[in-house]
Amino acid sequence: DAKTTQPNSMESNEEEPVHLPCNHSTISGTDYIHWYRQLPSQGPEYVIHGLTSNVNNRMASLAIAEDRKSSTLILHRATLRDAAVYYCILRFEYGNKLVFGAGTILRVKS
Amino acid sequence: NAGVMQNPRHLVRRRGQEARLRCSPMKGHSHVYWYRQLPEEGLKFMVYLQKENIIDESGMPKERFSAEFPKEGPSILRIQQVVRGDSAAYFCASSPSASRDTGELFFGEGSRLTVL
Repeated sequence: DAKTTQPNSMESNEEEPVHLPCNHSTISGTDYIHWYRQLPSQGPEYVIHGLTSNVNNRMASLAIAEDRKSSTLILHRATLRDAAVYYCILRFEYGNKLVFGAGTILRVKS
Repeated sequence: NAGVMQNPRHLVRRRGQEARLRCSPMKGHSHVYWYRQLPEEGLKFMVYLQKENIIDESGMPKERFSAEFPKEGPSILRIQQVVRGDSAAYFCASSPSASRDTGELFFGEGSRLTVL
């Protein structure tokens, strides 16, 4: 099964930043760290990925620890539409497929 | 560029019938993945296919389930003799290649199977 550990749930206020942690202490040197999210009644959606360096895109930022054993997904200003289950996945840990864990349920309060 | 298209979006079958779920990957994508999500549960990998080949079927139940991705046409997930436990959302995803630098899998909206 997935080798990442995430909190079951987190809560945020609208318009505030959200930091979603992920531990992956057994990560190998070639594993990419991927984040996906799943909004209610929808298919998963790619958010961001990285290998060693921090990454930014229009949706979020990914901060990767120097030893790569943990990472943090940062949503800079949470909106109600960001309420979803967020999955941290080590890509290529199991070949080309993605193996989803339980993820973190993010609730956003207005 | 249309996204991953799945149909039907909703399918109702009686126990013992067959269910066929179709997935058209994004244009130019030759890799297809199927996932199943039981009610209130997580996404479980079922099968990974490239054109005309099954690459990884480690998540497929040993009986009643099959998948194909022919040279022409959509990928098909087929469930024979459905049972109530097959009721779930089935998601398809596609990617252009198997490169380690490939960013994302693109998911469809899912097909929701209800077995009466």
